[in-house]
Amino acid sequence: NAGVMQNPRHLVRRRGQEARLRCSPMKGHSHVYWYRQLPEEGLKFMVYLQKENIIDESGMPKERFSAEFPKEGPSILRIQQVVRGDSAAYFCASSPPGLAGVSNEQFFGPGTRLTVL
Amino acid sequence: AQSVAQPEDQVNVAEGNPLTVKCTYSVSGNPYLFWYVQYPNRGLQFLLKYITGDNLVKGSYGFEAEFNKSQTSFHLKKPSALVSDSALYFCAVRGTGFQKLVFGTGTRLLVSP
Repeated sequence: NAGVMQNPRHLVRRRGQEARLRCSPMKGHSHVYWYRQLPEEGLKFMVYLQKENIIDESGMPKERFSAEFPKEGPSILRIQQVVRGDSAAYFCASSPPGLAGVSNEQFFGPGTRLTVL
Repeated sequence: AQSVAQPEDQVNVAEGNPLTVKCTYSVSGNPYLFWYVQYPNRGLQFLLKYITGDNLVKGSYGFEAEFNKSQTSFHLKKPSALVSDSALYFCAVRGTGFQKLVFGTGTRLLVSP
C-alpha cells in the first residue's frame, strides 16, 4: 500500500506565477488535509477536504489560495500570483473515514517545497 | 481554541540515557493527542496517539507517552536514546468535533554518541 504521494517534491516559481501542488492520498483514504510549514516553524493547518467537498478551510488565506479534491484524481492546492512569502513546505495528509468517536491518525506525504524567486 | 506548547526548542541527551520531550495542550472537550517525528527534508511520521484509556501509550521505535489530564500534558519518553533518534519532534492535538491537527512548534532532539 503506497503512502501519501505528493508532486512535485520541489517547485520553483517566479513572483506572479501560479503554483499547483498535487496530493494522492493513501488507498482507501477519503479525507485530505493540507498544511504549510514555514522554515523553523511547526505545521499550520490550511484546509480539510473530502471527495468533492471542502469541509474546513479556516486556515486558508482569503486570496490567491484554493484547494480541490475531485471525484477522480489527486487533490490540488493552487496558489495564484505567488509572492516570496509563499515559500514554504506544503504537506498533504490523509486519513480513512472514521466511525463516530474514533480519531484516526493522519498520514503525511513527503511534502512539496515551494521556492518563490 | 486548541493549542499546543512545546517549551523546549532543543533537547540534548547522551546515547543510552532516557529522554523526555515535553508537551502541554489546551483544548475544549476530550483531547486526541499525537506525536510525530520529522527527519530532514522528509514528511512527518506518526509515532503514537492517545485517544482514551490507559494513560501510558506505547508507540513506534520504543517511544511512549504519558497522558496527564490534571497537568494537561502529554510528554514523549524513551528509556534509552539512540543516535538515530535525533530528529524534530512535533506534538499535536485534535479537539472533539474537529478534524484538523494543531501542532506545537517542534522540539529538536539531539542524541550524542
